[in-house]
Formats: sequence, C-alpha cells, structure tokens
Amino acid sequence: KAGVTQTPRYLIKTRGQQVTLSCSPISGHRSVSWYQQTPGQGLQFLFEYFSETQRNKGNFPGRFSGRQFSNSRSEMNVSTLELGDSALYLCASSLRAGGANTEAFFGQGTRLTVV
Amino acid sequence: AQSVTQLDSQVPVFEEAPVELRCNYSSSVSVYLFWYVQYPNQGLQLLLKYLSGSTLVESINGFEAEFNKSQTSFHLRKPSVHISDTAEYFCAVSVSGNQFYFGTGTSLTVIP
Repeated sequence: KAGVTQTPRYLIKTRGQQVTLSCSPISGHRSVSWYQQTPGQGLQFLFEYFSETQRNKGNFPGRFSGRQFSNSRSEMNVSTLELGDSALYLCASSLRAGGANTEAFFGQGTRLTVV
Repeated sequence: AQSVTQLDSQVPVFEEAPVELRCNYSSSVSVYLFWYVQYPNQGLQLLLKYLSGSTLVESINGFEAEFNKSQTSFHLRKPSVHISDTAEYFCAVSVSGNQFYFGTGTSLTVIP
C-alpha cells in the first residue's frame, strides 16, 4: 500500500510570506502528526490531529497552525515566515491515536528554505 | 515531561565491527520506546520498538535493543555493521498517540 505522501518535497519562500504543506497519510490511518527537523534543534513535535481534531500541540508560536480533513489528509500552515523556519517538515501517520500498537510511519518530508 | 538523550552525536566504526548507540530517557510515566533510522534526504524509518513484554527486541536487519527500566536506557546494538548501515539513528519515546519525543540523533559512519 502507498506510504505517507508529503507535498511539495522542496519549497523556497521569502521572509514574511506564508506557506502551506500537505500530508496524505496511509490509507485507513486517522492520526497525523507533524515535526520540524533542524540541525540545531533536532526533531520537534508540532501538533497531532486525529479525526479532524487537534489532540496535542508542541511549543511553537501561533504562526504555526494545522488542520485535518475528513479524509484524514492534513495541512500545516506557517504564516509570516522567518529565516529560522527553514527546516525539514515531517509528517507521521498512525492507525489510531494511542494504544499499545502505536507505530508511526513517516513521509519523506518537505524541505522548506526561507530566504 | 519526557526527554531523550543520545550521548554520542557521531560514531565511526569499521565495517564488520560491533557497534552500540546509546539512548537514555526520562519520564514520570510508562513509555513506549523506538529507534528510527534516517538516510540522507529521506524521512524516518522504524527500526525497532519496545511496547511491552520481552525487554530485548530485534529488527530484521540484525539490530537489537534492550529496554532497561532501572537504568532508563534503550541502547541499540549490532554485532557486525555493513556499509549500508551508515545513517542517522534516532531514539524516541512515546507516551500515547502519535506524539514522539526524539533524541538529537547519532550519526553512524561505517568505514570500509
């Protein structure tokens, strides 16, 4: 079956602009979470969605937001981009939220460069 | 709160030699433990996980990790590494759901 699909793979934006990243989870998976990966901070949790509801949110400013649609696809939006937002953004798909069989499958990520 | 510490940022090792990548975690509640591997310009791939039961878990490509509750550790080992094992390795913990806390990663370089 198809894996987690993130689009676009690469993106270059200018400071002050906004950006929307997309994630299509594995078919049947209802939980989607987002992570930011940078050389300095490593992998940091942004937020998690399950059945169109945000369940958890990491320690990021309000410029970072997300949503999940009824088909479980998710988008994250970053407004008023800053140079420090340059990172690899990873999406993780999971069958359900919680439980002993928790396992997340990651997409290849979107490489965002802010200039 | 949960946190993960990977003590070694870079580990060079000769081909066919054994390797251990160290991971310690801190949590006030029970956690699930994971090792993920990341190849250049790729996402994360699950290597192995500990959810419950036997404290020794194995992957299909020869890696193993042992959960040690008293030492709050989940070290990753392989008795004989290959060139193809060169990658970044991340230890992670999860309390519930799809929220993971990652270590800073260990870059494993296998030298021919």
